[in-house]
Amino acid sequence: DSGVTQTPKHLITATGQRVTLRCSPRSGDLSVYWYQQSLDQGLQFLIQYYNGEERAKGNILERFSAQQFPDLHSELNLSSLELGDSALYFCASSARDSGGQEQYFGPGTRLTVT
Amino acid sequence: GQQLNQSPQSMFIQEGEDVSMNCTSSSIFNTWLWYKQDPGEGPVLLIALYKAGELTSNGRLTAQFGITRKDSFLNISASIPSDVGIYFCAGQLDAGNNRKLIWGLGTSLAVNP
Repeated sequence: DSGVTQTPKHLITATGQRVTLRCSPRSGDLSVYWYQQSLDQGLQFLIQYYNGEERAKGNILERFSAQQFPDLHSELNLSSLELGDSALYFCASSARDSGGQEQYFGPGTRLTVT
Repeated sequence: GQQLNQSPQSMFIQEGEDVSMNCTSSSIFNTWLWYKQDPGEGPVLLIALYKAGELTSNGRLTAQFGITRKDSFLNISASIPSDVGIYFCAGQLDAGNNRKLIWGLGTSLAVNP
C-alpha cells in the first residue's frame, strides 16, 4: 500500500459527460501528479500541483482541469468526455516539488466512456 | 512528448533465469527511477538512482545509473513467477526548472514456471 488513495476505482459514463476523480496523497506529501494510461500504453504525465499551486503541465487537454485543495487532496475534472478518454488515471505524490523526487502511485481510477 | 527508449519491449523467460532491461536517451538525466506495474494497479517504485555510476540493489533487483547519465539498467536475478508485470523506467532531465519525469514505454515481462 503506497498510502495514496484514489476514488472511485471504476467509473463508467457516456460521451459528453463530465466526471471528477479524487486523490489523497501520502501523509506529509505536498506534491500531487496526475497521469493517464491508455490500454497497452505508457504513462502520460498530465499535471502536477505542489501545495495548492500548479507546478508543471504535460499533455493535458483543455477539456481537463485539476486543482489541489488546502488539505492537499486533489481532483481531476474531465469534461465533454470522448471515447478516447477511456483509460486508467493515476495519481502520484511526492514529498517535495521536484519532479525527480520519488513518486508514489495510487491504485488508479479506470474510466470507461461509452 | 519526449520519451525514453526502453528495451526490450517484452520478454518471455523461464523461471530461474536472469533478466536485463535498459533505458536510453540522447539527453542527460540527473535521476533514474524504476517501477513495476501489475495489471490494473498503480506502478510501484523499485529503485531510485541519483548519481552517475550508482549501483543499487533491492533484493534480487539491481539497477545502475549509467556513467554517461544517458542510460540506466535494471537486472533481475533468478526470476520467479511473481516478477511478471510491466517494468517502467523514468528519468528527470538535467535541465534547470524542468520538473517532469520522462517515462519509458515499459518492458513487459512474462515468466514461465
